[in-house]
This record gives sequence, C-alpha cells and structure tokens, in this order.
Amino acid sequence: QVQLVQSGAEVKKPGASVKVSCKASGYTFTNYYMHWVRQAPGQGLEWMGIINPSGSSTSYAQKFQGRVTMTRDTFTSTVYMEMSSLRSEDTAVYYCARDRSSTSILDYWGQGTLVTVSS
Amino acid sequence: DIQMTQSPSSLSASVGDRVTITCQASQDISNYLNWYQQKPGKAPKLLIYDASNLETGVPSRFSGSGSGTDFTFAISSLQPEDIATYYCQQYDNLLSGGFGPGTKVDIK
Repeated sequence: QVQLVQSGAEVKKPGASVKVSCKASGYTFTNYYMHWVRQAPGQGLEWMGIINPSGSSTSYAQKFQGRVTMTRDTFTSTVYMEMSSLRSEDTAVYYCARDRSSTSILDYWGQGTLVTVSS
Repeated sequence: DIQMTQSPSSLSASVGDRVTITCQASQDISNYLNWYQQKPGKAPKLLIYDASNLETGVPSRFSGSGSGTDFTFAISSLQPEDIATYYCQQYDNLLSGGFGPGTKVDIK
C-alpha cells in the first residue's frame, strides 16, 4: 500500500534552515510528482511547490521562491523540502502529498512534520 | 492569480441534515477542482476530484458539482464522523495558490 512517512518534529531558531524528508513506499517513486503543502497553527492549507522525482524539476509558489529547495533521492525513494532563513511565521505543519498522474490531484499524504521556529 | 473563496466559513448542522458548501474561483478553471476533508490533527484526505468524481472508498453521501467558476460540495446526510474542515483546491494554475480558505463543519 502507498505510504508517505515524514521525518520528525523540528525546533529551529530564527534565521536557521530546516530540511524535512518524505519517504515513499508502495509504488514506483519516479512515476508520481510530489507536492509540499503547509498549514500554520489554526490556519488553512498553503501550497508550496512541486517536484518531479523522475527528472528533479521543480516549481515553487512565488512566496517561497529563493527560500525553499525541493530535492529527491531516487535510491531511497525520498523527497526533501529545505527552507532557509526561517522566521516565526514559518511555524507550521509541513505535508508531502503525492500527485496522481501529474494532475495535481493529491491522493496520498504524509502524516505531517511540525516545524517550530522560536528564539 | 486565481483567488478561491469558500462559503460559509463555518456551519453547524444536525445529524441527517443535507450540508452544502460553495467554492468560487476568480476566473474560469473548467473542472480543475478537488475537495479535501481534514479532521483535527490529521492530514487532508481527497474526497472529490475533477469537480464531481468521487474518490474510491469515499461514501456516496459526499458529492461535488460545478464547472467554470462556481462549485458546490454536498453531504447528503451529515454523520458525526463528518465533523471536519473541508477545502477546495483549484489546479488550473497551482502556482497562484491552490486552496480555498476552508469550511469548518460541526454538529448542532
């Protein structure tokens, strides 16, 4: 069965960087794009960007361009989301989500990773 | 940018009631719209894709309709396990955002 397992919670200081992982299993990793979505406490869902695990091409929401980098490791079927220059407003749960057939229909989601930015 | 609005932002209904949520796009997005359910502390779950297609395994009391700029999500008979926040998501142009602000559904 399809599973997306994310890395554990992180606490970072303002200005630091964080790298969240999402390990996929139960399907052919390179056949499905992966998205990242975040959710600040008590707030709605915010789309961050997408990575093609096959060719490693990426697209980011304008808000995150220059501060977010998405990468993948095909040997371990893992995608990564790294965010730099963290600020308190980046405190959120970060989700990876699989894209069905490159349609942006997000059919499987990771369990979420809480990133807390605090001095 | 494509802006998504949802109404109402929250609602309270009785078990067995029909519940409807609307989602409006600021420009024509054809049928490129999905609906997700999110329960507290959990990841979102896909319910409806391409505006009106029920995801496999999702109860038939959930439905979606619409195209262009106006979309509707419905629960035909509200159940206690349906307590959640529901989000629409456009994918005509994801780079301009994607998700609506959400509608919180509660039991009266």
